[in-house]
Amino acid sequence: GIQVEQSPPDLILQEGANSTLRCNFSDSVNNLQWFHQNPWGQLINLFYIPSGTKQNGRLSATTVATERYSLLYISSSQTTDSGVYFCAVERRTGFQKLVFGTGTRLLVSP
Amino acid sequence: EAGVAQSPRYKIIEKRQSVAFWCNPISGHATLYWYQQILGQGPKLLIQFQNNGVVDDSQLPKDRFSAERLKGVDSTLKIQPAKLEDSAVYLCASGGTSGSWNEQFFGPGTRLTVL
Repeated sequence: GIQVEQSPPDLILQEGANSTLRCNFSDSVNNLQWFHQNPWGQLINLFYIPSGTKQNGRLSATTVATERYSLLYISSSQTTDSGVYFCAVERRTGFQKLVFGTGTRLLVSP
Repeated sequence: EAGVAQSPRYKIIEKRQSVAFWCNPISGHATLYWYQQILGQGPKLLIQFQNNGVVDDSQLPKDRFSAERLKGVDSTLKIQPAKLEDSAVYLCASGGTSGSWNEQFFGPGTRLTVL
């Protein structure tokens, strides 16, 4: 099956710092989503981004489908950004099955 | 619009007991998914429904897990009998609207503890 690798696995930031999270995947994809899982376990949709660049406030994401990677940028981080960030992909062939990476655990300290 | 609803939010049972989880997807979403998330890992798909038909249940442990989606709307996931390794968060997701037609949206999950 498709492999999804995220880096770094853990990240500690001071409030106000910027960061870049990376997602590498091993096959062509129809769908790529970034999620934030908050400390209560809720998965919150950040971006639906199978290709191109999107921005939403302090967050932006870029997917380069031909090179099989996606980046999530967090600028001016806040303590509420803490949690786990997951990248999930759906292969171009087959059913609509999201395969999740192992996540990046982010802790933003005040 | 209302999000994906799940209940209960928490459940504690002893091994060999049975348990059921309920999910109500976003209105109009044709596709419904159940995922299992073990602590420290990403969610793993258990079963996918398209309307009320099963599309993919290849990773569902069918000797103890079952799921149904009546009338193509609500869904229930059952475990009988539960094992210690079933302790996890069970997430329901739905998708399938126009635009980002295969974007999935997740409910708050049910945290199951098997003692």
